[in-house]
Formats: sequence, C-alpha cells, structure tokens
Amino acid sequence: KAGVTQTPRYLIKTRGQQVTLSCSPISGHRSVSWYQQTPGQGLQFLFEYFSETQRNKGNFPGRFSGRQFSNSRSEMNVSTLELGDSALYLCASSLSAGTGDEKLFFGSGTQLSVL
Amino acid sequence: SQQGEEDPQALSIQEGENATMNCSYKTSINNLQWYRQNSGRGLVHLILIRSNEREKHSGRLRVTLDTSKKSSSLLITASRAADTASYFCATAGVGDYKLSFGAGTTVTVRA
Repeated sequence: KAGVTQTPRYLIKTRGQQVTLSCSPISGHRSVSWYQQTPGQGLQFLFEYFSETQRNKGNFPGRFSGRQFSNSRSEMNVSTLELGDSALYLCASSLSAGTGDEKLFFGSGTQLSVL
Repeated sequence: SQQGEEDPQALSIQEGENATMNCSYKTSINNLQWYRQNSGRGLVHLILIRSNEREKHSGRLRVTLDTSKKSSSLLITASRAADTASYFCATAGVGDYKLSFGAGTTVTVRA
C-alpha cells in the first residue's frame, strides 16, 4: 500500500506570493491533518479534515487555508507569504476522524523556503 | 501551545547504550504516542500507550506512563546508529480531536 504522498518536496517562493501544497493520504484513510514544523516552534497543528469537512483548526492566521476533496486528497494554501512561513509542512493521514486515538501516518513533507 | 514537552532537548550516546527521554504534558489525556523523525523527513509512529496502561514494550522500546505526574518516558535499549533521530511525544486531551506534539528530543548515537 502506498504511503502518504506530498508534493512538491521542495519549494522556493518570494514574499507576497501564494503557494499550494498537495497531500494524497493512504488509500482508505479519510482524515488528513497538516502540521507546520520549524526549528524554533516544533510541530504546530494547522488543521484537520475528515470527509471534506474541516474538523479542527490551529492558531494560524487566515492566510493559511485548506480543503479536502471527495477522494480524501487534501491541499493547503498559504497566501501573501511571509519570511516566517519558511518551514517543513507535514501532512498526516489516519483511518477516521482525528480523535487522537489513532496513529498518524506522515508524508515526507514539503520544505518551503520564502525569500 | 504544545501539550507535551520532551526532556532532554538533546542526547548523545555510544552505540549499545540505552537512551531515555521524558515527556511531560499538561491536561488529562486518553493516550500518549511516541514518534520518530529522521532528519528532514516525516514522522513515524513508534508506540501508543493508553491512559489505563502503565508500561508498554515494542522491540527495543519501552514506554511508561504516569498519569498522576502527567509524564511518560521512552527507553531505547541497546541503541544503534540507525536510532539517530528526533523523538516526539504526542497527546490529545480528553475531548480534543487533534494530536499536539512536543518540541522533541534529538538523539545521536555514536559508533
């Protein structure tokens, strides 16, 4: 069974631009969570989707948004990029809603650099 | 804010030695999970321990949970170079539906 796939693996953008990251979960997994990882802040929860509905949202500004499609694939979008948005963005999937009782399967991440 | 906090931040040991790291959390939990991350990659689930369990083993891993102290420990026995990675604890508070991760412990195993 294929793992969680995130594309692209690396991305370089300039301030003010917008970016879209993609995540394909493991087949059959319906919950997708997104995390931002930086050296100073560790892993910060962005949002979680289940059956195309956003179930949970972290403390990030409205510039960060996401969606989930009927095939469970998910995208996240960051508009008006800032230097501080440079980070590794991780996507994780699980079988059902993110109750915290299930283990997450992570992709390799998208490394975003904002110049 | 992060629910779990790992200690120490970094650990360097010789191959064959044991590595122990701790995690403290703030609120009541249903379970606690440990993950490993190799440099610049995604996290890999290691073990899940439920709030009614005190100890759990998986291969060379041993996890303990003390809900009265709101703390957990991860022990890696007979470490190998391949164990070099960052280790994170993750928790979801009761009624919470997202996993919150600590800042991690970076373990370096020297040959």
